[in-house]
Amino acid sequence: GQSLEQPSEVTAVEGAIVQINCTYQTSGFYGLSWYQQHDGGAPTFLSYNALDGLEETGRFSSFLSRSDSYGYLLLQELQMKDSASYFCAVRRDDKIIFGKGTRLHILP
Amino acid sequence: NAGVTQTPKFQVLKTGQSMTLQCAQDMNHNSMYWYRQDPGMGLRLIYYSASEGTTDKGEVPNGYNVSRLNKREFSLRLESAAPSQTSVYFCASRIGPTTDYGYTFGSGTRLTVV
Repeated sequence: GQSLEQPSEVTAVEGAIVQINCTYQTSGFYGLSWYQQHDGGAPTFLSYNALDGLEETGRFSSFLSRSDSYGYLLLQELQMKDSASYFCAVRRDDKIIFGKGTRLHILP
Repeated sequence: NAGVTQTPKFQVLKTGQSMTLQCAQDMNHNSMYWYRQDPGMGLRLIYYSASEGTTDKGEVPNGYNVSRLNKREFSLRLESAAPSQTSVYFCASRIGPTTDYGYTFGSGTRLTVV
C-alpha cells in the first residue's frame, strides 16, 4: 500500500516564497507528481520528479529525495492567483494515488 | 479544443435513482479514470480502465459500475444513488497505464443526492 502526507493548509504573503512538503510511503515507487486545483476547478498537472533533485518550471520548482521518501513544491514570487489547493501524487502500478491536498492561502 | 469532456456538469438525484456520468477524451489516450472528491479527502479513485476493453476497481468502487465503451469514452453509473455519493466526480485520462506523465482532468460533475 501507500500513503502520502502533506500539510492541510499553508499561508504566505504575496511576493514571498512558500514550500509545500510531501512525504510518502509506497511500494514500487516510480515518481512524485504535483497538481494544482483552484476552487471549483479541475486539477491540473504541474510537475513530475522521477529522480532525485530539483526540477524548475518558471516560478514553480519541485524537489525529490528518494532516500528520504520526501518531496516538496516550491512556489516563488507568489501571486494572488496561486491561491489554490496543491496535491502530491505517486503512481502505483497503472494508477495514480493522491494526497489529501494542501490549501495555500496568500495574504496581500 | 482537445481534452476531457464530462457531462452533465451538475445533477441532483433522489435517493434510489440511477444515472450515468459520461466522459469522453479526444487525445487518443489509452487509460481513463474516475475519481471522486470530497472535502478534506483529496481525490479517491473509483474505477479505471488501463486500456480499451479492460476495467478495474480503485479505492472506493462500491455503489458504482463503469463501461469503457470505446477508446474515447468511459462512463460511470450509479445504479441506486445514496446521499453518501454526494460528491464532485472527475474523469481523467493519460497516454498509457504506466506512463509517468500527468493526467488530464475533465471539468467535473457536481452530484447531490437528496
